Amino acid sequence: QQPVQSPQAVILREGEDAVINCSSSKALYSVHWYRQKHGEAPVFLMILLKGGEQKGHEKISASFNEKKQQSSLYLTASQLSYSGTYFCGTEGVGYNFNKFYFGSGTKLNVKP
Amino acid sequence: EAQVTQNPRYLITVTGKKLTVTCSQNMNHEYMSWYRQDPGLGLRQIYYSMNVEVTDKGDVPEGYKVSRKEKRNFPLILESPSPNQTSLYFCASSLSAEFGNTIYFGEGSWLTVV
Repeated sequence: QQPVQSPQAVILREGEDAVINCSSSKALYSVHWYRQKHGEAPVFLMILLKGGEQKGHEKISASFNEKKQQSSLYLTASQLSYSGTYFCGTEGVGYNFNKFYFGSGTKLNVKP
Repeated sequence: EAQVTQNPRYLITVTGKKLTVTCSQNMNHEYMSWYRQDPGLGLRQIYYSMNVEVTDKGDVPEGYKVSRKEKRNFPLILESPSPNQTSLYFCASSLSAEFGNTIYFGEGSWLTVV
């Protein structure tokens, strides 16, 4: 039930935009987004709970399309501090209800 | 300060020598879990606990044990470590297993088994 992220890696110049996608073959009831700097713990960005919900966090926002079982993270006018690996995550469904699954991550490198 | 604390942060051990990685949270969270992180595979859940004395297997439980005798503590036990358990381990907690609760991570434990 691990969600699938794309792309696996992105290289940007400062000020450019990026989109990271997260999709699941199972029903999604919520989508979490976290960012991890190398060697550090993942840090919470946002959670989307309802289909169609969109949230924003400074210049980082996300959408959740429940019908398509996917979520997208939008990074606008990227800054050097946005570099890191982004993970989406979701709770399991069915008999995996109490488990939690992360995608394999998208590595973002923002260059000056 | 709300935090998840795990120890040790770095450990090199030999195959077969039992070890325990401790984890403690001060947020009175019900749900705690352990993840391992390997290159290209993301974070994979090893075990989780819904509350005291309630634990269950995650996706990659083989070779690990856990216990939850107190709400704040959730140690990870490797009874007989093997080299394929060399990894970065994270303990995490959240208010409950319900949808939409923020997950708080410990700083990670780098484990090398030789």
